[in-house]
Amino acid sequence: AQKITQTQPGMFVQEKEAVTLDCTYDTSDQSYGLFWYKQPSSGEMIFLIYQGSYDEQNATEGRYSLNFQKARKSANLVISASQLGDSAMYFCAMREGPTYSSASKIIFGSGTRLSIRP
Amino acid sequence: GAVVSQHPSRVICKSGTSVKIECRSLDFQATTMFWYRQFPKQSLMLMATSNEGSKATYEQGVEKDKFLINHASLTLSTLTVTSAHPEDSSFYICSASEPPGLGWEQYFGPGTRLTVT
Repeated sequence: AQKITQTQPGMFVQEKEAVTLDCTYDTSDQSYGLFWYKQPSSGEMIFLIYQGSYDEQNATEGRYSLNFQKARKSANLVISASQLGDSAMYFCAMREGPTYSSASKIIFGSGTRLSIRP
Repeated sequence: GAVVSQHPSRVICKSGTSVKIECRSLDFQATTMFWYRQFPKQSLMLMATSNEGSKATYEQGVEKDKFLINHASLTLSTLTVTSAHPEDSSFYICSASEPPGLGWEQYFGPGTRLTVT
């Protein structure tokens, strides 16, 4: 069963507008972490933001914020004031199990290709 | 943040040959490393979990004898694609975790693009 669902294969947004990328997840673990990664055409995976399942506040990192709704099992990424350099693939990911366990693996959603229009 | 390197970044090989890809954690010791494969316009699919000093744990559907993983030290894991075929052409990415208690993040290497002709 798919555990990370990204329902938007592609999105087009005007420069300087805010954009929300959707992500829902499924887990029976109480302890888990949610991540967003950006993958430009070069292929490198760039870490953007992290939300722990026990974190009460939504995570923010500069222009990135994570809208964490635990009861709905959603972890949407919000990018404010989008820039041309934001054009890339974006992956939502989840790591189950205790955060102190280095062996717990990360699984990825199918990704959303974001294109910023000038 | 911690740095993970991969070598080579790009490799072209002939069908039937073997290719070795290295993944190194440069400034931390990685008890566990992960290998992913990514086909064009698709997501990252976990192939195996590599544990230092023990056998790798492969995901369902991944051939152990075809994708040999060796994690001989706390800073190096290797993936060998044996008897490569064109369908093995893909982008291979490794990631590494710091020892337990020191962090939750996985650090990704820059990837290796394999083309089998």
